[in-house]
Amino acid sequence: DAGVTQSPTHLIKTRGQQVTLRCSPKSGHDTVSWYQQALGQGPQFIFQYYEEEERQRGNFPDRFSGHQFPNYSSELNVNALLLGDSALYLCASSRQDTGNQPQHFGDGTRLSIL
Amino acid sequence: KQEVTQIPAALSVPEGENLVLNCSFTDSAIYNLQWFRQDPGKGLTSLLLIQSSQREQTSGRLNASLDKSSGRSTLYIAASQPGDSATYLCAANNAGNMLTFGGGTRLMVKP
Repeated sequence: DAGVTQSPTHLIKTRGQQVTLRCSPKSGHDTVSWYQQALGQGPQFIFQYYEEEERQRGNFPDRFSGHQFPNYSSELNVNALLLGDSALYLCASSRQDTGNQPQHFGDGTRLSIL
Repeated sequence: KQEVTQIPAALSVPEGENLVLNCSFTDSAIYNLQWFRQDPGKGLTSLLLIQSSQREQTSGRLNASLDKSSGRSTLYIAASQPGDSATYLCAANNAGNMLTFGGGTRLMVKP
C-alpha cells in the first residue's frame, strides 16, 4: 500500500518563474494539505483541498494556488517565484470522515530558487 | 492564533540517557496534539497522537503527555540510541484541518 508520494523530489528555478508540484495521497484518503517548511523551521500550513475545493487557507499570498483532481491527487502552483520561496514543500493526506487526523506526510519536494 | 514553541532547539546526549522534549502551545482549545520525527531532507513520520481527552500515549520507548490547562506537552524518550538522532516536531490541531507546528528540537545521540 503506497503512502503519500510527491514529485519531483528536487527542483531548481529562477526568480519570476512558475512551478507546479504534485502529490498523490495515500490509498483511501480524500483530503490533501500542503505545507511549506523553510530551512531550520517547522512546517507552515498553506491550504487544504477536499472534494476538489480549497477548504482552508493559511497566511500565504495568492501566488500560491492549488488544485485537486477527481482521483484525489493534488497540485501546488507557485507563480512569480521569490528567493524566499526556497523551501521543502510537504504534502499530507487524510480522511475527512476521521476529522482529517492523523495526517500522513510525503517526503516532500525541495524547491531551490536562484 | 495558535502558537507552538519547542524547547530546547537542539540537544546532544550520550547514548543510553533518558530525555524529555518540551512543547508549549498558546491556545488550549485543541482537538489533539501530535509528535513527529523528521530525518534530514525527509518528510514527517508520525510518532504519537494524543487526543484532547487523553493525558498520555505510549509507543515502545516513547511516551508523550498532554496538559491542556497549562498548554504543555512532553515527549519522553527512554534509553536513547544513536538511531534516535533526528528533528522532533510537535503540532497542535485546533480546527481539524490545519496543523500548527513548533520549530522542532534537533536531537543528536552520541555513541
